[in-house]
Amino acid sequence: GAGVSQSPRYKVAKRGQDVALRCDPISGHVSLFWYQQALGQGPEFLTYFQNEAQLDKSGLPSDRFFAERPEGSVSTLKIQRTQQEDSAVYLCASSLGGGGNYGYTFGSGTRLTVV
Amino acid sequence: QKEVEQNSGPLSVPEGAIASLNCTYSDRVSQSFFWYRQYSGKSPELIMSIYSNGDKEDGRFTAQLNKASQYVSLLIRDSQPSDSATYLCAVEDDMRFGAGTRLTVKP
Repeated sequence: GAGVSQSPRYKVAKRGQDVALRCDPISGHVSLFWYQQALGQGPEFLTYFQNEAQLDKSGLPSDRFFAERPEGSVSTLKIQRTQQEDSAVYLCASSLGGGGNYGYTFGSGTRLTVV
Repeated sequence: QKEVEQNSGPLSVPEGAIASLNCTYSDRVSQSFFWYRQYSGKSPELIMSIYSNGDKEDGRFTAQLNKASQYVSLLIRDSQPSDSATYLCAVEDDMRFGAGTRLTVKP
């Protein structure tokens, strides 16, 4: 596609509910990143894929967070048993090369509100 | 913990002035640095990259890098009200962003 596509654009979840956020990167982009951005803060790194391999998941805040990119293109970020502190914008970005040294193209983000 | 530090601002400059945005980073071996602009309610968009010490110019934007001081900056010349946004510094070796500096350009 022409850009990075994320869905849904907005998600309201009840506390304890599981959610799945989807990211469709730019075709041919090797690297895919997930970030969490709270209001007034910079993006916080969650996890990084190079093709289908998850090379870094050090930013995932707890074992309730899980990400996958099984075929090296579309990625899903899953949050189990959502908590209020999970409320944030979740940004997906893709990059042409490996290692994040080519600049990112971001999707529009998914705004998650846990009530 | 690798850190990327920015003055959160807000930074306010009059139209036509030079806006100077600063960033420091903790990882001495970092090699790639990027500036992103983020309008309110929107996603970050890439403005510039810099990899070597010195200045890099692109239109009204100049990025400056000093690896010895672990310092990177962005200058915006002839600032316009449309430049009003949050500017994010990124150290992409580490996949880390600063908290951003909010810039307001007043007509």
